[in-house]
Amino acid sequence: EAGVAQSPRYKIIEKRQSVAFWCNPISGHATLYWYQQILGQGPKLLIQFQNNGVVDDSQLPKDRFSAERLKGVDSTLKIQPAKLEDSAVYLCASSLAQGAEAFFGQGTRLTVV
Amino acid sequence: AQSVTQPDIHITVSEGASLELRCNYSYGATPYLFWYVQSPGQGLQLLLKYFSGDTLVQGIKGFEAEFKRSQSSFNLRKPSVHWSDAAEYFCAVVNDYKLSFGAGTTVTVRA
Repeated sequence: EAGVAQSPRYKIIEKRQSVAFWCNPISGHATLYWYQQILGQGPKLLIQFQNNGVVDDSQLPKDRFSAERLKGVDSTLKIQPAKLEDSAVYLCASSLAQGAEAFFGQGTRLTVV
Repeated sequence: AQSVTQPDIHITVSEGASLELRCNYSYGATPYLFWYVQSPGQGLQLLLKYFSGDTLVQGIKGFEAEFKRSQSSFNLRKPSVHWSDAAEYFCAVVNDYKLSFGAGTTVTVRA
């Protein structure tokens, strides 16, 4: 069974630039999560989708971050414009249903300079 | 506020010694509980999970965890640590359909 795929693995951008991350969840998984993991901290939930609907985005900085999950499968997370404090690893995860075990991709390491 | 607490930021253990990592949660009802491990540069891998039933759960790589409702705890244990167990460990809780993580405990294994 293929795991959660994320791209790119690494990205370096200058502040005020924009960046987008892509996630392909495990086939059949209805729930998709995006987490931000700053160095030395635990993952922080940015947004949670159930199929193509948003379940929770209370911690998503909506003035600069946006996410979508078209057709309830792949998802993209965008940052525009980026700030230095956005430097982190962005993790995508999926699960069969809400509350079930989540499977994680390898993450995208973003460095904003 | 609902939260997951991992009191130990860093633990150093000798190879072959036992390991216990602490996790406390502050949700009212019994949540779903998980332990994940993260090796450097990798995503998170599920070690074990607790939904209901037997409060002692077995996981992969020789790990086990015990749910104690009276203490709101879900501590992770391993009887004999291997050098490959050096990693960061995260306790996680599902409550109200959201998966929330603790700050993590870094485990160093010395020879």
